[in-house]
Parts: sequence; C-alpha cells; structure tokens
Amino acid sequence: QVQLVQSATEVRKPGASVRVSCKASGYIFSTYYMQWVRQAPGQGLEWMGSMNPNTGDTKYSEKFQGRITMTSDKPSNTAYMDMRELRSDDTAVYYCARLWEGASFDSWGQGTQITVSS
Amino acid sequence: DIQMTQSPPSLYASVGDRVSLPCRASQTIRNFLSWYQQKPGKAPKLLIYAASTLQSGVPSRFSGGGSGTDFTLTITSLQPEDSATYYCQQSYSAPYTFGQGTKLNIK
Repeated sequence: QVQLVQSATEVRKPGASVRVSCKASGYIFSTYYMQWVRQAPGQGLEWMGSMNPNTGDTKYSEKFQGRITMTSDKPSNTAYMDMRELRSDDTAVYYCARLWEGASFDSWGQGTQITVSS
Repeated sequence: DIQMTQSPPSLYASVGDRVSLPCRASQTIRNFLSWYQQKPGKAPKLLIYAASTLQSGVPSRFSGGGSGTDFTLTITSLQPEDSATYYCQQSYSAPYTFGQGTKLNIK
C-alpha cells in the first residue's frame, strides 16, 4: 500500500533553515507529483508547492517563492522540502501528499511539526 | 488566486441526520474539486475527487456534487465517527487553494 513517512519534529530559531523529508513506498515514486501542504496551529490547510520527482520541475506558491526548495532523490524514493529564513509564523505541521487522479491528494504523510521560536 | 469559501465554519448535527456542506469557488474550476476529512492530530483523508467520485474505501454515505463554482459534500445517515473538519480544495489552477473548513460536530 502507498505510504509516505516524514521526518521527525524540528525546533528552529528565527532566521534558521529546516529540511523535511518524505519517504515514499508502495508505488513508483517518479510517476506521481509530490505536494507540500502546511497547517498552522488551529488553522486550515495551505498549499505550498508541487514537485515532479522524475524531472525535478517545481511549482511554488508565490507566498513561499524564494524561501523554499523542493527536491527529490529517486534512488531512495524520498522527497525533500527545504525552508529558509524561518519566522515564528512558519510554526506549523508540514505534510507531503501524493498528487493523484483528478488532481486530488490521495495519500498523505503523517506530518512533521516545525516549531520556530527564540 | 482562486478563493474557496466554506460556510458555516461549524455545524451541529445528530447521529442519523443528513447534512450538506457547501463550498464555493471564486471562479469556475470545472470539476477539479476534492473533499477531505481531517480529525484532530491526523493528516487529511481524501473522500471525494473530481467533484463527485468517491475515493476507494470511503463509505457510500459520503457523496459529492456540483461543478463550475458551487459544490456540495453530502453525508447521509451521520455516524459518530464522522465528527471532523471537512475541507474542499480546488486543483484547477495553482496555487491549489483549500477552503477554511467546516467543523462537523455530532450531538
């Protein structure tokens, strides 16, 4: 079965960087786009961007353009999301999700809590 | 950006009830609309995609309808486990925006 397993909780100071990983299994990694979505405490879901693991092509939300980079490592079936210049309002749970039929997100990682605090 | 509007933010219903949760897009999104269910501390779960296609394994009491700008998630015969927040999302054009969610409380 499709499974996305994300890296563990991270705590960072303002201005720092963080990397979140998302290891895929149960399907051919390179054939489905990977999405990243975040959810601030008590808030809704926010789409951050999309990556084609086969070509490396990316599309980012304008809100995060210049501050995030999405990459992948095909041999290890792992997607990565790097975020720089962290601020306190980046505190959120970050999810990876697979783009599926009808451009829906059918499988999600368990989420990675990123806390930004001085 | 396409804005997705869900109202009301919360709703109370009883076991056995039928509820309809609306979602409106700020411009046409054809049928590029998905519905997700999220329970506290958990990742969202895909319920409906392409506006009306039930995801495999999702109970048939869930159904979706609509196209263009107006969509509805309907849950018939509510069960206690349906207590959750429900989000709609458009994937017609990036950024793939979500609605603010409707929290469904089961009385």
